[in-house]
Amino acid sequence: EVQLVQSGAEVKKPGESLKISCKTSGYTFRSYWIAWVRQMPGKGPEWMGIFYPTDSDTRYSPSFQGQITISADNSIDTAYLQWSSLRASDTAIYYCVRLNATGRLSNWGQGTLVTVSS
Amino acid sequence: DIQMTQSPSSLSASTGDRVTITCQASEDLLDYLNWYQQKPGKAPKLLIYDASNLEAGVPSRFSGSGSGTDFTLTISALQPEDVATYYCQQYDNLPRFTFGPGTKVDIK
Repeated sequence: EVQLVQSGAEVKKPGESLKISCKTSGYTFRSYWIAWVRQMPGKGPEWMGIFYPTDSDTRYSPSFQGQITISADNSIDTAYLQWSSLRASDTAIYYCVRLNATGRLSNWGQGTLVTVSS
Repeated sequence: DIQMTQSPSSLSASTGDRVTITCQASEDLLDYLNWYQQKPGKAPKLLIYDASNLEAGVPSRFSGSGSGTDFTLTISALQPEDVATYYCQQYDNLPRFTFGPGTKVDIK
């Protein structure tokens, strides 16, 4: 069974750094793109960026370029999303999701709530 | 970038009603469009892929149609458990993808 299990909720202050994780299992980690999706309160999902573990190919949405870093550790089948300096506007739920070759997003993490407040 | 719109933004219907949600793209997507259901506090769940194919395990009252720039998600007989927000998602330029703004469905 394919599973994506994300790290727990975080409460941070503006300017702080953060790295959240997405531990995968049940499939060959290197063979699928892993995307990160933001969902702000009451809004639809937004594609932030995506990572291909085989060659570390990384693509970012222009809206998030320079604001986030996506990476992975292939030895533990885990993907990461990190910020060097959080803003209050980063408050949202963040999902990792596996992208199938046909464009389907069949497997999602449970989401990580990030709250940024002074 | 391809822009996605959905209509209506919300609707309220009675149990057993036929419900139709539309999704429009700013460019030709062929059939590179999926539909998702999201319930409060949960991740989106894939319902329909490639515009008209039912994902395994999804009830047959859900169906999708369309191609090009205009797509439709239909619930043939609305059930209380279908209360959710529905999103279309285009994947014309993999590995990038974008979602529509969503349609919230409630029961009268």
